[in-house]
Amino acid sequence: GAGVSQSPRYKVTKRGQDVALRCDPISGHVSLYWYRQALGQGPEFLTYFNYEAQQDKSGLPNDRFSAERPEGSISTLTIQRTEQRDSAMYRCASSLLAGGRETQYFGPGTRLLVL
Amino acid sequence: GNSVTQMEGPVTLSEEAFLTINCTYTATGYPSLFWYVQYPGEGLQLLLKATKADDKGSNKGFEATYRKETTSFHLEKGSVQVSDSAVYFCAFLGGNTPLVFGKGTRLSVIA
Repeated sequence: GAGVSQSPRYKVTKRGQDVALRCDPISGHVSLYWYRQALGQGPEFLTYFNYEAQQDKSGLPNDRFSAERPEGSISTLTIQRTEQRDSAMYRCASSLLAGGRETQYFGPGTRLLVL
Repeated sequence: GNSVTQMEGPVTLSEEAFLTINCTYTATGYPSLFWYVQYPGEGLQLLLKATKADDKGSNKGFEATYRKETTSFHLEKGSVQVSDSAVYFCAFLGGNTPLVFGKGTRLSVIA
């Protein structure tokens, strides 16, 4: 596609429910990244993939958070048993090549509100 | 640890005023440096970048120079427009680190 897309754009859920956030990277991009952005803060790294392999998940806050990219394209970030503190903007980015200095292109984000 | 410190906002300027948003970083090695911008209701967009010392990134009238000696990457524009109103994020990317962002600086330009 022309850019990174994310769905849904907005998600309201009740505490305790599971949510799945989807990211569709730019076609052909090798690397895919997930970030979380609290209000008034910059994005913070969660995890990233090269192709289908998860390379680093050190930013995932706890084991309720998981991510996958089974075919090396679309990725899903899943939050189980959501809590109010999970409310944030979740951002996905992709880069053409793997490697630590490649420019990352961001999608519009998914705003999650846990009631 | 790795971090980015940028000027706190909000910054309010009149149209055609000069803009500086300060950004300094703490990182090991020689990271690549970025400015991202978020316009109201939109996602993060890459504004400009620089990959080595003394490089100048520029786009849409904005400039920033990679200053290794002061570990800084200040964003400047000579004459801002109302359409420049947005939140600006400084960030760096090292060889073994994910993108590290500052907290963002909100700019409001009034006519």
